Amino acid sequence: AQSVSQHNHHVILSEAASLELGCNYSYGGTVNLFWYVQYPGQHLQLLLKYFSGDPLVKGIKGFEAEFIKSKFSFNLRKPSVQWSDTAEYFCAVNSGGSNYKLTFGKGTLLTVNP
Amino acid sequence: GAGVSQSPRYKVAKRGQDVALRCDPISGHVSLFWYQQALGQGPEFLTYFQNEAQLDKSGLPSDRFFAERPEGSVSTLKIQRTQQEDSAVYLCASSFVLETQYFGPGTRLLVL
Repeated sequence: AQSVSQHNHHVILSEAASLELGCNYSYGGTVNLFWYVQYPGQHLQLLLKYFSGDPLVKGIKGFEAEFIKSKFSFNLRKPSVQWSDTAEYFCAVNSGGSNYKLTFGKGTLLTVNP
Repeated sequence: GAGVSQSPRYKVAKRGQDVALRCDPISGHVSLFWYQQALGQGPEFLTYFQNEAQLDKSGLPSDRFFAERPEGSVSTLKIQRTQQEDSAVYLCASSFVLETQYFGPGTRLLVL
């Protein structure tokens, strides 16, 4: 069974700091990778996704993620965070014959202090 | 257009009570999914519909959980004889075939 690990439970940054959230998955075949964000009081929204092609994926609000197949990783990055980026971030994967079923990590809560 | 909607947004049930949670997917979306999100965890897959057909129910935790989508649009997740461990946020998502899943706001269920 596939699984997703998010290394950081809670990250606290000051505005303008750079962000990198780790995500590793366990599945050896073809994968589709996603980052979802949940702002306080709101529903899960898609930040970015990788299906194939360029492993560096750009998403909304200045976020990007890099798929490194050899490391089974899909880390999320942003060069300069803002207070409005305070939210919970979830990495998710689907793959193979169950390419509809998303497996999520436990999430990383990001707090950005002004 | 409108996103995925769910009702009720909050539900308090007494242990042993039956509950029904509703999901209205985005119009035209063929695929519909239910997930359960426990406190401090990521969402976990419960079941998947393609139109009215329930193609995967492997994530349903027990036979007390039942989902239906009789006309291929609105879906209902029913939990019979609720237990305290059923307390969670129940998320519905829809997609056009097997593309990106769009999530609703969830129903927060508290079983006392």
